[in-house]
Amino acid sequence: GQNIDQPTEMTATEGAIVQINCTYQTSGFNGLFWYQQHAGEAPTFLSYNVLDGLEEKGRFSSFLSRSKGYSYLLLKELQMKDSASYLCAAYSGAGSYQLTFGKGTKLSVIP
Amino acid sequence: SAVISQKPSRDICQRGTSLTIQCQVDSQVTMMFWYRQQPGQSLTLIATANQGSEATYESGFVIDKFPISRPNLTFSTLTVSNMSPEDSSIYLCSAQVSAGELFFGEGSRLTVL
Repeated sequence: GQNIDQPTEMTATEGAIVQINCTYQTSGFNGLFWYQQHAGEAPTFLSYNVLDGLEEKGRFSSFLSRSKGYSYLLLKELQMKDSASYLCAAYSGAGSYQLTFGKGTKLSVIP
Repeated sequence: SAVISQKPSRDICQRGTSLTIQCQVDSQVTMMFWYRQQPGQSLTLIATANQGSEATYESGFVIDKFPISRPNLTFSTLTVSNMSPEDSSIYLCSAQVSAGELFFGEGSRLTVL
């Protein structure tokens, strides 16, 4: 089975940096996705980590440690439009492409 | 990337009726999936839509309730049968473009009265 844990809510200030953590326990693991979902909209792809380490994409970075079953999403120079839910999802691989999603972290960016 | 179109985008239905949601991808994809997102919850995989064969359902979901078609590599449908208010949810179609990317349609928001 799969178990994905991430904080329910976080609040951060515009212009600051915020780190959203995700831990996973899976019977099979082949990668870790992060998605952003604004209220009432579909999730949009942010990042995909397969190997350990940090991957940077502009203001967003994602980190993975397979040995620790841990990932985080780092958002820099926060903007008001970054207020959204951030979903962590584990990719089981092994012939199956299904993702198991965490419950999401609702981030509120305040002035 | 892939552009995934779903319709209807939203609908209000009566208890006991059925609704079919269509999903069209702008390119051929091997894997297509259907997810459900209940209010305030994360996404739950309903099934993998297999081209040319029966869909693969996750625990808690059955073909009689959620029949799925996948006639080709760009199109799939999900039917929500004999609806009840508990089926009120957002239903999302997704497509795996490569091992590293899974894209979602805009979702179909279903309200059952």
